[in-house]
Amino acid sequence: DTEVTQTPKHLVMGMTNKKSLKCEQHMGHRAMYWYKQKAKKPPELMFVYSYEKLSINESVPSRFSPECPNSSLLNLHLHALQPEDSALYLCASSQDWTSGVLYYTEAFFGQGTRLTVV
Amino acid sequence: SQQGEEDPQALSIQEGENATMNCSYKTSINNLQWYRQNSGRGLVHLILIRSNEREKHSGRLRVTLDTSKKSSSLLITASRAADTASYFCATDAGWNFGNEKLTFGTGTRLTIIP
Repeated sequence: DTEVTQTPKHLVMGMTNKKSLKCEQHMGHRAMYWYKQKAKKPPELMFVYSYEKLSINESVPSRFSPECPNSSLLNLHLHALQPEDSALYLCASSQDWTSGVLYYTEAFFGQGTRLTVV
Repeated sequence: SQQGEEDPQALSIQEGENATMNCSYKTSINNLQWYRQNSGRGLVHLILIRSNEREKHSGRLRVTLDTSKKSSSLLITASRAADTASYFCATDAGWNFGNEKLTFGTGTRLTIIP
C-alpha cells in the first residue's frame, strides 16, 4: 500500500467553525508533512512531524493546530480561519531513518483537501 | 520562501516532441527531486538526484544537476498528452531532526497538444 489518504476531499467552513483534516498512511513512514498550496503556486511547508514529534513549524498561525496521534495518522485542526486560508491542503509522508542511518526517500502525497473558508 | 525558480513558467509543445524545463536554486542542497502535479491534485514523485550525481534517467525522463551553477533540468522525451501537468523541482539541504524540509520551486505548467 503506497497511498496517503486524506479526508475530506472538499471542505467548506465558516470563519467561526472548528473542523479537522485527516491524513493516514500505512507505509511505515516516520516523517509526515502538511503543505498548503494556493492556486498556481507551489506547495508551502507548514508542519513536519518526525517520529510523532513536531520537528518543524513554519511560523504557521495558531488557528492551524497539527496533531500526530500515532505513526500512521496526522491531523490538522482548524479554528477561526480567514477567507485567505482557502487553499489545497496536502499531506505527505516519507521514510526518515533506515537502520539508524540518516536517509531520505521521495515524499508520497495525498490528493489533498480543497478548503474553502466563507 | 521558495528555494527554486523554474523556467519556463509555461510550455506548450506538440505531442511527440521533447520538453525541457529548468530549475535554479539558491543554497547548497543534499538532494533535488522532480514532482508532477495534475490539475488540483496531489503531487507524484518522478525522480531524485543526489548532489554528488550529475545525470539520472528514468524511462522517458532525464535529469541533470549542475551544483556549480545551482541548476537542474528535466527532459521529457517523446511527450504524450498524459504528460500535461505542472512540474516542480524540490530540494532539501540534508536530513536530520528539525531539518526534514522539502522546498518546492515555482513550477512549470506543461501542455501537450495532441
